[in-house]
Amino acid sequence: QVQLQESGPGLVRPSETLSLTCSVSAGSFSTYHWSWIRQPPGKGLEWIGDVYHTGNTNYNPSLKSRVTISVDTSKNQFSLRLTSVTAADTAVYFCARESNRLGGSIFDIWGQGTMVTVSS
Amino acid sequence: DIQMTQSPSTLSAFVADRVTITCRASQSISSWLAWYQQKPGKAPKVLIYKASSLQSGVPSRFSGSGSGTEFTLTISSLQPDDFATYYCQQYQSHPYTFGQGTKLEIK
Repeated sequence: QVQLQESGPGLVRPSETLSLTCSVSAGSFSTYHWSWIRQPPGKGLEWIGDVYHTGNTNYNPSLKSRVTISVDTSKNQFSLRLTSVTAADTAVYFCARESNRLGGSIFDIWGQGTMVTVSS
Repeated sequence: DIQMTQSPSTLSAFVADRVTITCRASQSISSWLAWYQQKPGKAPKVLIYKASSLQSGVPSRFSGSGSGTEFTLTISSLQPDDFATYYCQQYQSHPYTFGQGTKLEIK
């Protein structure tokens, strides 16, 4: 059974860089795209971007200037860097697997999520 | 970006009721729509993909319909475990976008 686990600091200072890693256990890492999605407290879901095992990425234009998603296939991990954070970046950050269903990709497996607070 | 709008934002219902949640896209997304259920403190769980296909392991009381810009999620007979927040999501094009959510509450 594939499992995803986010890791990283729970507190980040304003203007600094948020860094998270998602570790993927079991399954074929190279067959899928891997996404980051976030959810501010009490609010809805926002897709941040995704990465393929080749390193190809797609980003949400609303965050593109501050986001980098990278992959380490040797460790079955992918990572998120978000620069110049503000309080608006406070959220639960989820990593998720995109799985092809009838020609399109859905988020079929998710990590448990990790809360990141931006505060001095 | 494709905007997704759900209605209602909150829905109160009794166990055994039939309920319907609507999702509208700002432009046609064909059938590239998924529905997710999220419980407090948990990650979302996919219920429906390609507008009407039931994800493996999801009870058959959940069903989806629609195409183009208007979609519905129906729960035929609400069970206590179904009280949660539901999100639609388009995957026609990047950036993938979600509806704002519909919170289903016990009446």
